[in-house]
Amino acid sequence: DIQMTQSPSSVSASIGDRVNITCRASEVIDKALAWYQQKPGKAPTLLLYTASRLQSGVPSRFSGSASGTAFTLTISSLQPEDSATYFCQHYYHTPPTFGQGTKVE
Amino acid sequence: EVQLVQSGAEVKKPGESLKISCRGSTYSFTSYWIGWVRQMPGKGLEWMGIIYPADSDTRYMPSFQGQVTISADTSINTAYLQWNSLKASDSAMYYCARGGTYSSSSYADFWGQGTLVIVSS
Repeated sequence: DIQMTQSPSSVSASIGDRVNITCRASEVIDKALAWYQQKPGKAPTLLLYTASRLQSGVPSRFSGSASGTAFTLTISSLQPEDSATYFCQHYYHTPPTFGQGTKVE
Repeated sequence: EVQLVQSGAEVKKPGESLKISCRGSTYSFTSYWIGWVRQMPGKGLEWMGIIYPADSDTRYMPSFQGQVTISADTSINTAYLQWNSLKASDSAMYYCARGGTYSSSSYADFWGQGTLVIVSS
């Protein structure tokens, strides 16, 4: 199975800060990567797919990039409502696997 | 908008059976894969398996093969996740999620609200 390693596991930042979360795949996955946001007690929601495509309705302060097997989720200007846990997931082949999550406070 | 509505929380004893459901609406239920994701308390997300309702093609992730059964009833746009004999370690939140139209391996663009399963003697 492809392993997805996220870093950091948690990050504390201030309103307006730029936040970067990295996800590294254990092998090539092209751009078959999605990012999700999960708030406490809620289901995850899709933020980005194909590494950098923004899901409809997601604020433009969220963006994604890829470099080889490393993927980055960037929140350009952190807002209070962005406090959540963020997960990456590859879907290059079965089984799709998630990263372990990054908690943003 | 696409909606996935799951059945309510369950409290069961070890060894009991359970079937939870996920009803899709406002989209063509038979045209998209629909899967189940487990989240154990305080932990991350794990795909369990996924089904294509149109032909019931079902794929299980290795960790869950033989442990659960996924099915779908297209007459009522509902997918199911079933256990024959629950264990305490099955206690978790279970989400259904809509996958893609072609591949069994996809991202999930819509999610149910979750069903909490507690297994305790």
